[in-house]
Amino acid sequence: EIVLTQSPATLSLSPGERATLSCRASQGVDIYLAWYQLKPGQAPRLLIYDASKRASDTPARFSGSGSGTDFTLTISRLEPEDFASYYCQQRARWPENTFGQGTKLEIK
Amino acid sequence: EVQLVQSGAEVKKPGESLKISCKGSGYDFSNYWIAWVRQMPGKGLEWVGIIYPGDSDTRYSPSFQGQVTLSADKSINTAYLHWNTLKASDTGIYYCAREAAVASKWFGPWGQGTLVTVSS
Repeated sequence: EIVLTQSPATLSLSPGERATLSCRASQGVDIYLAWYQLKPGQAPRLLIYDASKRASDTPARFSGSGSGTDFTLTISRLEPEDFASYYCQQRARWPENTFGQGTKLEIK
Repeated sequence: EVQLVQSGAEVKKPGESLKISCKGSGYDFSNYWIAWVRQMPGKGLEWVGIIYPGDSDTRYSPSFQGQVTLSADKSINTAYLHWNTLKASDTGIYYCAREAAVASKWFGPWGQGTLVTVSS
């Protein structure tokens, strides 16, 4: 099974700052990686797929990069609504899918 | 508008059975994979499995194989997650999600989640 390790577990930043979240795969997953946003009491939301493609309703301040084993989700300028948990997910060996353990982005 | 509407919260005892549902609307239900994902209290997301309603092709995460059953009734645009024998460790929020685009194998939109509580 491909294991995804996200870092940091918790990231404390202020609105307007830049956020950088990391996801590392135990084996290469090419570009088959997505990022999801999860807020308490809400449905998860697909933000980024194929490592760098924004989903249709994802704001431009969100960007994804990486390939192989190292991936990054960047939020250029944090808005209040961006404080949430973020999960990466791989599907390199479909139908096997795994999630990372998540990064909680909290207000400093 | 594409929507996935899940059944309501459930409180069950260990050993009981349960089936929760996920009804899709606004699209051709048969042609998109449906995924099920668990979030245990205070924990992250875990992949349960996927089902293709068009032919009921089903794949399970190894952790859930033999523990749950996925099914779908395309005549009423509804997918199901079923337990024969619940355990306390099945407690959590269960989400369904639709494949984002035909053959994309990424998932969104998601249902609102069904909270399952198993307690004696």
